[in-house]
Amino acid sequence: GIQVEQSPPDLILQEGANSTLRCNFSDSVNNLQWFHQNPWGQLINLFYIPSGTKQNGRLSATTVATERYSLLYISSSQTTDSGVYFCAVVPDKLIFGTGTRLQVFP
Amino acid sequence: EADIYQTPRYLVIGTGKKITLECSQTMGHDKMYWYQQDPGMELHLIHYSYGVNSTEKGDLSSESTVSRIRTEHFPLTLESARPSHTSQYLCASSVVDEQYFGPGTRLTVT
Repeated sequence: GIQVEQSPPDLILQEGANSTLRCNFSDSVNNLQWFHQNPWGQLINLFYIPSGTKQNGRLSATTVATERYSLLYISSSQTTDSGVYFCAVVPDKLIFGTGTRLQVFP
Repeated sequence: EADIYQTPRYLVIGTGKKITLECSQTMGHDKMYWYQQDPGMELHLIHYSYGVNSTEKGDLSSESTVSRIRTEHFPLTLESARPSHTSQYLCASSVVDEQYFGPGTRLTVT
């Protein structure tokens, strides 16, 4: 089946820093989503992005479907950005990557 | 924002008990899903439904069962809870491919 790999696995930042998270997938997909899981376990939709670039405030995402990767950019990070970031792809059902664990310190 | 609800949010229960985790959505989505997640790890699909009276097992084998009698309701049942069932259970619904998640139920079986 399709493999979804995320990097880096862990990321520690000081407040105000920028970061880029990467998601690689091994086969063609119909769709891709980015999620943020907060410390209470809730999964929050960030982007629904099968291709192209989208922006929402300090966050933006780019998916290059032909090269089988997606990037999530976080600018001017805040402590509330801490948590785990998952990408998930849809060949037929949603398949999750292993996540990037982000800690932002003041 | 999606309107999808799960109860209870936290449950501590003894071995051998029967439990039902509730999931409801008010968006009229046909597709609903249950995922299991160990802390900090990836999510694994255990059940899904594409409509009323339709249920399928997911990629991760699970001793739980589900039912879909109404569009908005997708409960998950464990007939006899065991410590190995300790995990977080997340319910989701979708229109087309975009999935929305409920807040989850953290289950601890002692």
